[in-house]
Amino acid sequence: DGGITQSPKYLFRKEGQNVTLSCEQNLNHDAMYWYRQDPGQGLRLIYYSQIVNDFQKGDIAEGYSVSREKKESFPLTVTSAQKNPTAFYLCASSIGGRPNQPQHFGDGTRLSIL
Amino acid sequence: AQSVAQPEDQVNVAEGNPLTVKCTYSVSGNPYLFWYVQYPNRGLQFLLKYITGDNLVKGSYGFEAEFNKSQTSFHLKKPSALVSDSALYFCAVRDGRILTGGGNKLTFGTGTQLKVEL
Repeated sequence: DGGITQSPKYLFRKEGQNVTLSCEQNLNHDAMYWYRQDPGQGLRLIYYSQIVNDFQKGDIAEGYSVSREKKESFPLTVTSAQKNPTAFYLCASSIGGRPNQPQHFGDGTRLSIL
Repeated sequence: AQSVAQPEDQVNVAEGNPLTVKCTYSVSGNPYLFWYVQYPNRGLQFLLKYITGDNLVKGSYGFEAEFNKSQTSFHLKKPSALVSDSALYFCAVRDGRILTGGGNKLTFGTGTQLKVEL
């Protein structure tokens, strides 16, 4: 079955540590997205990529970094500069260049501070 | 800037009764509107979308939504609620114009928790 796989499901970060969240899709989608979800705040866009080797900052990119070396993969690194990283992180993908198409989501990674 | 408002943090309804989850939006161009559902510790699942055409849109699991341009609303409805419908529901909007520089971002509301009780 086609879909989006996020790993790990739970992740713990120590102070001063960078951690990387994995997102892989086999839907052959060009566009991929990273969102942060906090209670009562909905989803906020961190980074997005419309094509391989290209990505743009979203609304809350500070303290995060991404890469898009392969169409299937869009890993997110939460750096030590992100002072409040505890949240539920969601990866999504969609058909590129088609704003009438919905985004498809993975099952998320819950990141907590040790 | 585009925005979505979901005025109710929580909606309670008895099983078998009709349900409505409200959504209003603001966008410069024609709106592309979406409803998603989220179960605990899971990702968002797409329910339905309005792009153009009929104002009443039918989606998955018996849900439907009514687009009202004059009231800039896109309320989610279901004629008969089930306990299994209890979840967090998100409305989202995107500008329907083809915008450069990544302007076709999807903006989400803050979510409405639906609780269906026996």
